[in-house]
Formats: sequence, structure tokens, C-alpha cells
Amino acid sequence: GAGVSQSPRYKVAKRGQDVALRCDPISGHVSLFWYQQALGQGPEFLTYFQNEAQLDKSGLPSDRFFAERPEGSVSTLKIQRTQQEDSAVYLCASTVVSDTQYFGPGTRLTVL
Amino acid sequence: DQQVKQNSPSLSVQEGRISILNCDYTNSMFDYFLWYKKYPAEGPTFLISISSIKDKNEDGRFTVFLNKSAKHLSLHIVPSQPGDSAVYFCAAKASDFGNEKLTFGTGTRLTIIP
Repeated sequence: GAGVSQSPRYKVAKRGQDVALRCDPISGHVSLFWYQQALGQGPEFLTYFQNEAQLDKSGLPSDRFFAERPEGSVSTLKIQRTQQEDSAVYLCASTVVSDTQYFGPGTRLTVL
Repeated sequence: DQQVKQNSPSLSVQEGRISILNCDYTNSMFDYFLWYKKYPAEGPTFLISISSIKDKNEDGRFTVFLNKSAKHLSLHIVPSQPGDSAVYFCAAKASDFGNEKLTFGTGTRLTIIP
């Protein structure tokens, strides 16, 4: 079946612009995660949803980062007033509860 | 603080030989460990996992060993194949606390030499 999909795959933004990154999880997967992967590093946890409830947002680096999953399926990660340090690959993963996380291909964000 | 560490940024192994990738962790609350493989421009792909109640888990050419007292795990790939060339990430979670988030190491780039 279809895996996790993310769009856009690549995004270039000027510093100060707002961006929105989309994640379509595997159908039926209850849990959804966002991770940020900087160059040469491993993925770092940003936030976690179970259905539409955001259960953990402890990894969001600042209040410029906001995530939502209003109907418990598709999720959007929004970054306001982007900064150069926001340049990274943003990965989305989904899973049935307490099972293996399956990752999407990621969105590479470059802030100029 | 880096709670999951992969101290070897890269590893080269001859095709057909054994590849051994290592991972250390510091958080004693971690009780579930996973290995992911990543090709360029793709997301991480799950390989194999192990619960802290076990010390070994095997799946085909892949075996993961866990040494809880040393807070160390390793991934063995045998025999190594050219398609195994990728970046390998070790990840851990503390599932007993209902916390599903994964903590990753920085990765090891494995190159299989034909």
C-alpha cells in the first residue's frame, strides 16, 4: 500500500517568509510524528499527535513552529518568519500506536 | 546532551564480509531500540528492532545485539552486499512512560566495497 507522503519535497524560502509543510500518513495510522534533521545529524523529535490530539510538542524549537492535525489524518507543520537556522529536512512518520514508525521522504527546506 | 551516540561516522567493508555498526546510549529509561537505514533523498527505512527484555534479535542477514549493562547495541550485517551502502541510524525510546518519540544517533555511513 501507499506509504507516508510529504509535500513539497523541496522548499526554498526567503528569510522572514512563512512556510507550510504537509504530511499524509499511512491510512489508518493513529500516531503521527514530525522530526527535524539538520545536515550531518540524526532526526530530532519535534512533535507527536495521536489522532487529532497533540500529545507532545516539547521538541518544537520556538513559538514560530506550529503543527496541526485537525481531522486526525493529514498534518501540517507551519514555520512562521523563517530563519536560516530553520534550514533542514523535515521528516514525518506515522504508526499504529506503540508500533514501528514509518517515515516519509521528507521536505528539504532551505532558507536564504 | 547526546543520549544516543554512534561514534563511527563512517565504515567501509568488503562485499561478503560482516559489517558491525555500534551504538551507545546514556538514558537508562530507554527500553526499545531500532535501526533505520537511509538512502540519499529518502526517508529512514525501518530495519530491525529489539526490546530490552531480549539480548538478540535476528532477521535474515541482520542481527541486533543488546548489552544492557554496557548500554550498548550493535547491528551485524552478514554477508554484506553493495545495496547495504547507506547511512544507518540507531534510535531508542522509553515506551514504559507512554512516550513514543524516538531519539536518534548521528548515523554511520556504511560503504560496501565490491
